[in-house]
Amino acid sequence: NAGVTQTPKFRILKIGQSMTLQCTQDMNHNYMYWYRQDPGMGLKLIYYSVGAGITDKGEVPNGYNVSRSTTEDFPLRLELAAPSQTSVYFCASSYFVQEGTQYFGPGTRLLVL
Amino acid sequence: QQQVKQSPQSLIVQKGGISIINCAYENTAFDYFPWYQQFPGKGPALLIAIRPDVSEKKEGRFTISFNKSAKQFSLHIMDSQPGDSATYFCAASSSGGSNYKLTFGKGTLLTVNP
Repeated sequence: NAGVTQTPKFRILKIGQSMTLQCTQDMNHNYMYWYRQDPGMGLKLIYYSVGAGITDKGEVPNGYNVSRSTTEDFPLRLELAAPSQTSVYFCASSYFVQEGTQYFGPGTRLLVL
Repeated sequence: QQQVKQSPQSLIVQKGGISIINCAYENTAFDYFPWYQQFPGKGPALLIAIRPDVSEKKEGRFTISFNKSAKQFSLHIMDSQPGDSATYFCAASSSGGSNYKLTFGKGTLLTVNP
């Protein structure tokens, strides 16, 4: 099992550019999440999904979009990159929600200049 | 509104000492309290978790203490080792309704000096 994989590991974007952060899990988990981590601010939930075709906003969804067409994949789309989106992005998945361990990917570091 | 408050922001402990990280929550519906450990350049990983029907849970050198009436829980790391140096996050979630989310504290950077 590879667990949760994320690509790319690091990316530099210019203001206004778009990109998609990829996330794939091979554990057949129903629940998937996108977080951003900023220094000293902990983990903020961007979007989450409870199954294929079902997504919902988290705490900081503005500037992002997601889709979930399969159980395995949960890509995060940035349409018009802004410096405020400079962060480390983590994808996670879990089987059960309550008392369910969330398994995190290795992260994508994004720098918007 | 931050629903899980974590302290301290950073902590320096000597090897062999006890590391203590505290968290307080506001939402009385929370009933699952995990701690995550994150090493530099890695994603967080579950370390230990507790439900409020017990006041303490121990796994090796790691212990969670839980005080339901005070709405506080803490992580104790006994005999701290340099390999424990990492960022620790407390979190909380509710099993009621359609709440599928963990609420995280802001994290504590632990440094264990040799």
